[in-house]
Amino acid sequence: GAVVSQHPSRVICKSGTSVKIECRSLDFQATTMFWYRQFPKQSLMLMATSNEGSKATYEQGVEKDKFLINHASLTLSTLTVTSAHPEDSSFYICSARDPGLAGGDNEQFFGPGTRLTVL
Amino acid sequence: GNSVTQMEGPVTLSEEAFLTINCTYTATGYPSLFWYVQYPGEGLQLLLKATKADDKGSNKGFEATYRKETTSFHLEKGSVQVSDSAVYFCALRANTGNQFYFGTGTSLTVIP
Repeated sequence: GAVVSQHPSRVICKSGTSVKIECRSLDFQATTMFWYRQFPKQSLMLMATSNEGSKATYEQGVEKDKFLINHASLTLSTLTVTSAHPEDSSFYICSARDPGLAGGDNEQFFGPGTRLTVL
Repeated sequence: GNSVTQMEGPVTLSEEAFLTINCTYTATGYPSLFWYVQYPGEGLQLLLKATKADDKGSNKGFEATYRKETTSFHLEKGSVQVSDSAVYFCALRANTGNQFYFGTGTSLTVIP
Protein backbone atom coordinates (compact mmCIF):
# COMPACT_ATOMS: atom_id res chain seq x y z
CA GLY A 1 0.00 0.00 0.00
CA ALA A 2 0.91 3.66 -0.15
CA VAL A 3 3.56 4.82 2.31
CA VAL A 4 3.56 8.08 4.24
CA SER A 5 6.55 9.14 6.30
CA GLN A 6 7.00 11.79 8.96
CA HIS A 7 10.09 13.54 10.25
CA PRO A 8 11.13 13.81 12.96
CA SER A 9 9.57 10.95 14.85
CA ARG A 10 10.28 12.62 18.15
CA VAL A 11 11.22 16.19 19.09
CA ILE A 12 11.79 18.01 22.34
CA CYS A 13 11.95 21.79 22.32
CA LYS A 14 11.96 24.72 24.70
CA SER A 15 8.91 26.84 25.26
CA GLY A 16 8.73 29.73 22.81
CA THR A 17 10.57 28.04 19.98
CA SER A 18 9.09 26.83 16.70
CA VAL A 19 9.09 23.26 15.47
CA LYS A 20 8.59 22.01 11.92
CA ILE A 21 7.20 18.55 11.17
CA GLU A 22 7.40 17.09 7.68
CA CYS A 23 4.96 14.69 6.08
CA ARG A 24 5.89 12.96 2.83
CA SER A 25 4.07 10.61 0.53
CA LEU A 26 6.82 8.26 -0.64
CA ASP A 27 5.37 6.45 -3.61
CA PHE A 28 2.43 8.53 -4.72
CA GLN A 29 1.40 12.11 -5.25
CA ALA A 30 -0.99 13.50 -2.70
CA THR A 31 -2.93 16.60 -3.63
CA THR A 32 -4.52 16.51 -0.19
CA MET A 33 -2.92 15.74 3.15
CA PHE A 34 -4.44 15.88 6.60
CA TRP A 35 -2.98 16.80 9.96
CA TYR A 36 -4.30 15.22 13.15
CA ARG A 37 -3.49 15.60 16.79
CA GLN A 38 -3.79 12.73 19.23
CA PHE A 39 -3.93 13.24 22.97
CA PRO A 40 -3.07 10.39 25.34
CA LYS A 41 -5.80 7.78 25.44
CA GLN A 42 -7.92 9.89 23.13
CA SER A 43 -8.85 9.78 19.53
CA LEU A 44 -7.39 11.62 16.60
CA MET A 45 -8.60 15.15 16.15
CA LEU A 46 -8.46 16.60 12.66
CA MET A 47 -6.61 19.90 12.76
CA ALA A 48 -6.50 20.91 9.13
CA THR A 49 -6.67 19.79 5.54
CA SER A 50 -3.60 20.67 3.51
CA ASN A 51 -4.10 21.32 -0.19
CA GLU A 52 -1.19 21.43 -2.61
CA GLY A 53 -0.70 24.89 -3.99
CA SER A 54 -3.36 26.57 -1.88
CA LYS A 55 -4.10 27.55 1.68
CA ALA A 56 -4.92 24.93 4.25
CA THR A 57 -8.42 24.55 5.62
CA TYR A 58 -8.44 24.61 9.40
CA GLU A 59 -11.00 22.99 11.67
CA GLN A 60 -12.93 25.08 14.11
CA GLY A 61 -10.93 25.96 17.16
CA VAL A 62 -7.51 25.38 15.56
CA GLU A 63 -5.34 28.51 15.46
CA LYS A 64 -4.05 28.95 11.94
CA ASP A 65 -1.36 31.39 13.06
CA LYS A 66 -0.04 28.92 15.58
CA PHE A 67 -0.13 25.83 13.40
CA LEU A 68 1.27 26.87 10.03
CA ILE A 69 0.75 24.42 7.21
CA ASN A 70 2.55 24.51 3.89
CA HIS A 71 1.86 22.04 1.10
CA ALA A 72 4.50 23.14 -1.38
CA SER A 73 4.65 20.00 -3.50
CA LEU A 74 2.59 16.94 -4.31
CA THR A 75 4.66 14.82 -1.94
CA LEU A 76 5.37 17.14 0.98
CA SER A 77 3.34 18.96 3.58
CA THR A 78 4.82 20.66 6.63
CA LEU A 79 3.28 21.62 9.95
CA THR A 80 5.07 24.30 11.94
CA VAL A 81 4.12 24.78 15.56
CA THR A 82 5.05 28.39 16.25
CA SER A 83 5.99 29.68 19.69
CA ALA A 84 5.35 26.28 21.18
CA HIS A 85 4.12 25.93 24.75
CA PRO A 86 3.82 22.87 26.99
CA GLU A 87 0.13 22.53 26.16
CA ASP A 88 1.14 21.92 22.54
CA SER A 89 2.86 18.73 23.58
CA SER A 90 1.09 15.94 21.75
CA PHE A 91 1.32 13.27 19.08
CA TYR A 92 0.88 14.75 15.59
CA ILE A 93 -0.10 12.46 12.76
CA CYS A 94 -0.44 13.22 9.07
CA SER A 95 -2.31 11.29 6.44
CA ALA A 96 -2.78 11.42 2.70
CA ARG A 97 -5.09 10.09 0.07
CA ASP A 98 -3.79 8.38 -3.04
CA PRO A 99 -6.09 9.52 -5.83
CA GLY A 100 -4.38 7.15 -8.25
CA LEU A 101 -5.49 4.12 -6.26
CA ALA A 102 -8.77 2.41 -7.13
CA GLY A 103 -11.13 3.55 -4.42
CA GLY A 104 -8.30 5.71 -3.16
CA ASP A 105 -10.61 8.59 -2.61
CA ASN A 106 -12.14 6.61 0.20
CA GLU A 107 -9.03 5.76 2.17
CA GLN A 108 -6.33 7.61 4.04
CA PHE A 109 -2.77 6.41 4.59
CA PHE A 110 -1.23 7.52 7.83
CA GLY A 111 2.27 8.50 8.79
CA PRO A 112 3.91 7.04 11.91
CA GLY A 113 3.38 10.23 13.89
CA THR A 114 5.63 12.78 15.59
CA ARG A 115 5.83 13.02 19.36
CA LEU A 116 6.31 16.68 20.34
CA THR A 117 7.34 17.54 23.88
CA VAL A 118 7.60 21.20 24.83
CA LEU A 119 9.51 21.90 28.01
CA GLY B 1 -23.46 15.56 13.30
CA ASN B 2 -20.98 12.76 12.76
CA SER B 3 -19.41 10.83 15.61
CA VAL B 4 -18.08 7.41 16.54
CA THR B 5 -18.36 5.67 19.89
CA GLN B 6 -16.36 2.57 20.65
CA MET B 7 -15.99 0.49 23.74
CA GLU B 8 -13.38 1.61 26.17
CA GLY B 9 -10.45 -0.55 26.98
CA PRO B 10 -8.09 -1.78 27.81
CA VAL B 11 -9.05 -5.28 26.75
CA THR B 12 -6.89 -8.22 27.80
CA LEU B 13 -7.46 -11.64 26.29
CA SER B 14 -5.72 -14.96 26.28
CA GLU B 15 -4.39 -16.28 23.00
CA GLU B 16 -7.07 -17.99 20.87
CA ALA B 17 -9.90 -16.19 22.67
CA PHE B 18 -12.78 -14.57 20.80
CA LEU B 19 -12.61 -10.81 20.34
CA THR B 20 -15.39 -8.28 19.99
CA ILE B 21 -14.84 -4.53 20.03
CA ASN B 22 -18.07 -2.60 19.80
CA CYS B 23 -18.44 0.46 17.61
CA THR B 24 -21.52 2.57 16.97
CA TYR B 25 -21.84 5.72 14.96
CA THR B 26 -24.04 8.69 14.23
CA ALA B 27 -23.89 10.22 10.80
CA THR B 28 -25.82 12.25 8.33
CA GLY B 29 -26.33 10.37 5.12
CA TYR B 30 -24.57 7.11 4.34
CA PRO B 31 -21.00 7.02 5.62
CA SER B 32 -18.21 4.59 4.88
CA LEU B 33 -16.93 2.75 7.94
CA PHE B 34 -13.40 1.70 8.81
CA TRP B 35 -11.31 -0.08 11.38
CA TYR B 36 -7.72 1.08 11.76
CA VAL B 37 -5.02 -0.59 13.87
CA GLN B 38 -2.07 1.16 15.51
CA TYR B 39 0.85 -0.99 16.61
CA PRO B 40 3.23 0.44 19.22
CA GLY B 41 5.35 3.24 17.82
CA GLU B 42 3.69 3.12 14.42
CA GLY B 43 1.04 5.03 12.53
CA LEU B 44 -2.47 3.87 11.81
CA GLN B 45 -2.97 1.11 9.29
CA LEU B 46 -6.24 0.30 7.59
CA LEU B 47 -7.51 -3.04 8.84
CA LEU B 48 -10.82 -3.28 6.99
CA LYS B 49 -13.64 -1.17 5.64
CA ALA B 50 -17.23 -1.27 4.43
CA THR B 51 -18.79 1.31 2.21
CA LYS B 52 -22.50 0.47 2.33
CA ALA B 53 -25.08 -1.17 4.52
CA ASP B 54 -24.77 -4.95 5.01
CA ASP B 55 -21.24 -4.98 3.58
CA LYS B 56 -18.78 -7.09 5.53
CA GLY B 57 -15.18 -6.01 5.70
CA SER B 58 -12.59 -8.66 6.49
CA ASN B 59 -8.83 -8.92 6.77
CA LYS B 60 -6.34 -11.05 8.70
CA GLY B 61 -9.16 -12.97 10.37
CA PHE B 62 -10.92 -9.80 11.53
CA GLU B 63 -14.46 -9.06 10.40
CA ALA B 64 -16.97 -6.25 10.77
CA THR B 65 -20.43 -5.86 9.25
CA TYR B 66 -21.98 -2.50 8.44
CA ARG B 67 -25.35 -2.56 10.25
CA LYS B 68 -27.44 0.43 9.30
CA GLU B 69 -30.40 -0.57 11.46
CA THR B 70 -28.29 -0.57 14.61
CA THR B 71 -25.73 2.00 13.35
CA SER B 72 -22.96 -0.38 14.34
CA PHE B 73 -19.71 -1.75 12.94
CA HIS B 74 -18.44 -4.15 15.59
CA LEU B 75 -15.03 -5.72 15.10
CA GLU B 76 -14.68 -9.47 15.67
CA LYS B 77 -12.01 -12.11 15.46
CA GLY B 78 -12.53 -15.74 16.30
CA SER B 79 -9.08 -16.52 17.66
CA VAL B 80 -6.70 -13.73 18.63
CA GLN B 81 -2.93 -13.99 18.61
CA VAL B 82 -0.26 -12.22 20.62
CA SER B 83 0.64 -10.29 17.47
CA ASP B 84 -2.84 -8.73 17.45
CA SER B 85 -1.93 -6.64 20.49
CA ALA B 86 -2.46 -3.03 19.38
CA VAL B 87 -4.87 -0.13 19.59
CA TYR B 88 -7.91 -0.39 17.34
CA PHE B 89 -9.78 2.65 16.04
CA CYS B 90 -13.23 2.68 14.52
CA ALA B 91 -13.80 5.51 12.05
CA LEU B 92 -16.32 6.87 9.61
CA ARG B 93 -16.04 9.00 6.53
CA ALA B 94 -19.11 10.98 5.67
CA ASN B 95 -20.40 10.68 2.15
CA THR B 96 -19.61 14.34 1.64
CA GLY B 97 -16.25 15.92 2.39
CA ASN B 98 -12.92 14.43 3.28
CA GLN B 99 -13.06 14.29 7.02
CA PHE B 100 -12.68 11.08 8.97
CA TYR B 101 -14.20 10.82 12.43
CA PHE B 102 -12.46 8.49 14.84
CA GLY B 103 -13.48 6.73 17.99
CA THR B 104 -11.27 6.97 21.05
CA GLY B 105 -9.47 3.73 20.34
CA THR B 106 -9.47 0.40 22.21
CA SER B 107 -6.23 -1.05 23.46
CA LEU B 108 -6.00 -4.83 23.09
CA THR B 109 -3.40 -6.97 24.81
CA VAL B 110 -3.23 -10.66 24.03
CA ILE B 111 -1.32 -12.81 26.49
CA PRO B 112 0.16 -16.22 25.68
